[in-house]
Amino acid sequence: EPEVTQTPSHQVTQMGQEVILRCVPISNHLYFYWYRQILGQKVEFLVSFYNNEISEKSEIFDDQFSVERPDGSNFTLKIRSTKLEDSAMYFCASSDPSETTTGELFFGEGSRLTVL
Amino acid sequence: KNQVEQSPQSLIILEGKNCTLQCNYTVSPFSNLRWYKQDTGRGPVSLTIMTFSENTKSNGRYTATLDADTKQSSLHITASQLSDSASYICVVSARETSYDKVIFGPGTSLSVIP
Repeated sequence: EPEVTQTPSHQVTQMGQEVILRCVPISNHLYFYWYRQILGQKVEFLVSFYNNEISEKSEIFDDQFSVERPDGSNFTLKIRSTKLEDSAMYFCASSDPSETTTGELFFGEGSRLTVL
Repeated sequence: KNQVEQSPQSLIILEGKNCTLQCNYTVSPFSNLRWYKQDTGRGPVSLTIMTFSENTKSNGRYTATLDADTKQSSLHITASQLSDSASYICVVSARETSYDKVIFGPGTSLSVIP
């Protein structure tokens, strides 16, 4: 069964360092998303991406964040200068445009980011 | 304001027992409602998805109901198993112009004990 894959599964970084989280969405999906979940808290929307541009972003997604689809398969989230409060689990998700009436999201297993 | 609330916040039940989780939402215009199961440290996995016209949907031991008039949904788990221990998240979508805006509930943490 096709699945969304994310790398790395866990990354530890120093405050102020740049981090890139990678996602390979399901191959025929065209809508891509990043969410984050701080330990013990609810899942929060960061950004949605369609047709090579951001379609929506939350207030969390400030200038320190950027997304890119550098090739036909990868979808990346970059945090330019990490802060302690960026420590969280980051989930990538994708959806199939033929099912936008149901909007089923398929999530990856997440990338845990720890900022020291 | 689009919002999704869930109750209870956490629940402990004995293996083999049934339980019901609640979700209330104020989301407009409503597109669909989904229940996800999230094991600790894992990504959410879809259990059911319902549109406006659907009142109930089952997936094995999971049965979801939707009352679009009162804007409430429930997830009923029958004959619980230890592996049901997880967070259950209600997710409601609002229909934007060309895609759905997804609003997550805070989740209900379920613990099934022997």
